[in-house]
Amino acid sequence: DAGVIQSPRHEVTEMGQEVTLRCKPISGHNSLFWYRQTMMRGLELLIYFNNNVPIDDSGMPEDRFSAKMPNASFSTLKIQPSEPRDSAVYFCASILGLASYNEQFFGPGTRLTVL
Amino acid sequence: AQSVTQPDIHITVSEGASLELRCNYSYGATPYLFWYVQSPGQGLQLLLKYFSGDTLVQGIKGFEAEFKRSQSSFNLRKPSVHWSDAAEYFCAVGAGSGNTPLVFGKGTRLSVIA
Repeated sequence: DAGVIQSPRHEVTEMGQEVTLRCKPISGHNSLFWYRQTMMRGLELLIYFNNNVPIDDSGMPEDRFSAKMPNASFSTLKIQPSEPRDSAVYFCASILGLASYNEQFFGPGTRLTVL
Repeated sequence: AQSVTQPDIHITVSEGASLELRCNYSYGATPYLFWYVQSPGQGLQLLLKYFSGDTLVQGIKGFEAEFKRSQSSFNLRKPSVHWSDAAEYFCAVGAGSGNTPLVFGKGTRLSVIA
């Protein structure tokens, strides 16, 4: 298995531009998580899907952030408009089964820089 | 709700020395406990996990962790550190309800010197 795939690996954009991050979970996994990692805040859970349905989006910082999971093999995290404070590494992770006790498999992350 | 604290932001050890990374959790019932490792430029990888039973858990790469209910701790240990162990280490706690996402600590960065 290829593992969790994220694209792009690096993204540099200017303030105000739209940014779309992509994630392909491991085949057969039924839950998907989006995290943001910064030096100041550490690893933050943004949103989590179960069977393609958003279960908890309380971590999404504001309306500029949105996430979708149109099918079991693809998810996007969109920031519109982007701001410099959105600069971070964004991780996608997937699991098979329930979230509390099953191993999360993380992708390599997308490093976003907003100028 | 559960929470987890990693008191040490950064630890430096000499290669070959022993290592202990601290993790304290808060949860009313028996938690599910995890340690993940993040190498530079990569995502997190599971080292080990505790659900129940033997309180000393063995993981990959020669790591082990001990669950101590009385101290609400789940410290990670390794008897002899290798230079390749330099990474960021995250403790995480899961709640018993089954479908509640893990709560991660802020991580401890490990540096290894010769």
